[in-house]
Amino acid sequence: DAKTTQPPSMDCAEGRAANLPCNHSTISGNEYVYWYRQIHSQGPQYIIHGLKNNETNEMASLIITEDRKSSTLILPHATLRDTAVYYCIVRVAPKTSYDKVIFGPGTSLSVIP
Amino acid sequence: NAGVTQTPKFQVLKTGQSMTLQCAQDMNHEYMSWYRQDPGMGLRLIHYSVGAGITDQGEVPNGYNVSRSTTEDFPLRLLSAAPSQTSVYFCASTSPRAGTYSPLHFGNGTRLTVT
Repeated sequence: DAKTTQPPSMDCAEGRAANLPCNHSTISGNEYVYWYRQIHSQGPQYIIHGLKNNETNEMASLIITEDRKSSTLILPHATLRDTAVYYCIVRVAPKTSYDKVIFGPGTSLSVIP
Repeated sequence: NAGVTQTPKFQVLKTGQSMTLQCAQDMNHEYMSWYRQDPGMGLRLIHYSVGAGITDQGEVPNGYNVSRSTTEDFPLRLLSAAPSQTSVYFCASTSPRAGTYSPLHFGNGTRLTVT
């Protein structure tokens, strides 16, 4: 079973920030939080990942709570092209071992004009 | 650098037929895996491999076989196709050498219909 829970769907107005929540209450100390998105029926695309500190890259920001039991992916200025299914997963870094990466159903984000 | 390449893009099979879904990567990744995606169910792990000659089962392995004779290729075999195997299949790869920055790289999928 997936180790994360996400809302099945969300809407966001174009140009506004999209905040996508993820609960991972059973996360272990050596597990990272990764976010992917899947546009239409393409293969999922990596967005960002983090361990315990907040992270930012050119695509998004990731906010992880201090207890690491939940996180939020932030798309600062959502565009229509951000309409996609977003997956939050937890996994160990593969340099130590290979973890079976399990995806849940994700959150379907609709960006509305 | 093509990344992860899957062939064919589309396939229609009759019940009982066999076929092989091809997956190749040119990034020298040690780890490769196969997922299937059904409507509303996210991606489910079928089989994975941590290197040439080493494979293991995922969440939904029944009805599928894999082998890994080279680092580059990880084919998925359906020995006797069933309508329940109608799905979109994704292949992914990654490497432990990149450390924590080691996301999965996905192909663009094979859409399989079994009638």
